[in-house]
Parts: sequence; structure tokens; C-alpha cells
Amino acid sequence: LQLQESGPELVKPSETLSLTCTVSGDSISSGGYFWGWLRQPPGKGLEWIASIYHSGNTYYNPSLRSRVTISVDTSKNHFSLKLSSVNAADTAVYHCTRHYSSGWHKSWGLGTLVTVSS
Amino acid sequence: DIQMTQSPSSLSASVGDRVTITCRASQGISNSLAWYQHEPGKAPKLLLLAASRLESGVPSRFSGSGSGTDYTLTVSSLQPEDFATYYCQQYYGSPQTFGQGTKVEIK
Repeated sequence: LQLQESGPELVKPSETLSLTCTVSGDSISSGGYFWGWLRQPPGKGLEWIASIYHSGNTYYNPSLRSRVTISVDTSKNHFSLKLSSVNAADTAVYHCTRHYSSGWHKSWGLGTLVTVSS
Repeated sequence: DIQMTQSPSSLSASVGDRVTITCRASQGISNSLAWYQHEPGKAPKLLLLAASRLESGVPSRFSGSGSGTDYTLTVSSLQPEDFATYYCQQYYGSPQTFGQGTKVEIK
């Protein structure tokens, strides 16, 4: 299984951050796993952002819920993250993951650094 | 949210050393704890789940223990490839939360 994050490395304040995670080696449609996004700001710990099941059921961290949308495209075998109204505090390495319903993350992407700056 | 406090934040050790990292939860998490290893330039790797269950393919020098609020990750004999940052994660409460990480460096 490989997970590959993609998207702009630089986003302006107040704009929307958009990332896609392309899955290879497994089909999102096969079920059994959740697909998630986490992030790690420079010098800080990991933070879970959101997760989605292939059926489209979504789960969000309440601290980010108002600004986050996670979606899945099973035909392209990828899932996506949108984070609106970004500011400097959203600068982080963003990882996509495959995880069990219980919550531990079995597989991770390398991560992509997104910087919020004008 | 359940707060996860890891200690130490960093440590220096030599190859062959026994290393222990501690993770304390702000409330009981019923062994719903995972440990991850993150080497620079690589994807994080799941080491243990359910506090003490070794993930498939992970060397047996890694072990986990604990209960209630206090958990430990032990590396019985540190190898060169073990120099990395380690994170704990609780998945008992929602949202799931992570420790701040412990960086294991070469002495």
C-alpha cells in the first residue's frame, strides 16, 4: 500500500488549503478501513484532522470541524481534504493515513509541508 | 480532549542501550494506545497497538506495557535504525490525540 499526498505547498492566508491523497496497492472501495488526515505543525505534535469511510461517512476533529471538509472519490481511488480560512497556525506537514475503525493508523503517507504565507 | 504527555522529549543513547519512553494520559484510556516511529524523510510507522501488541513485522526488541493512564515503550537493545522520533496515540476518546514525541538521538 502506498499513500501519496499532493497539493499546493504554499497557500495564502484566508484562502482554502486543498490536498489529495492518492491510494495505490489497495482499493478504497474494498472497505474495512478508514482514510484519514493528520497534521504536524513545525515543532509540535501530531493532530488528527478528519477521517472518511468509503461509504462517505465522515468524522471530524471538533477543533477544526467548522473549517474542514473531507471527501472520497472511489473512481479515482483517492480522498481529499479542504481546510478553509487558513492562517499561519495551519502551516504544517499534512499526512494521509489508512486506519482501523478503532483509530490506530496502520499506513501513512510521507507527508507534505504546506506553508500559509502571503 | 484527552491530553497525552510524553517523556522525555528527547534522549541520547548508544547502540545496545535499553531505552524507555513514557506516555501519560490525562484520564484512563483502557490500553487504547498505539506507538509510532518516525524517521526523517520516511512515513511514520506503527509499532504497537493496544498498548502491548506488536504490529506485524516489528522487531521483538520493541515492547509496550502499562495500564490506566501510564504506558511505556521499551527498546531492549537500541539499534542504529532505531534513532528516530517516537509518538504515542490514544484512541480511547474522541478526538484521538497524540503525545508531543520523544526524539532518540545517538550519544
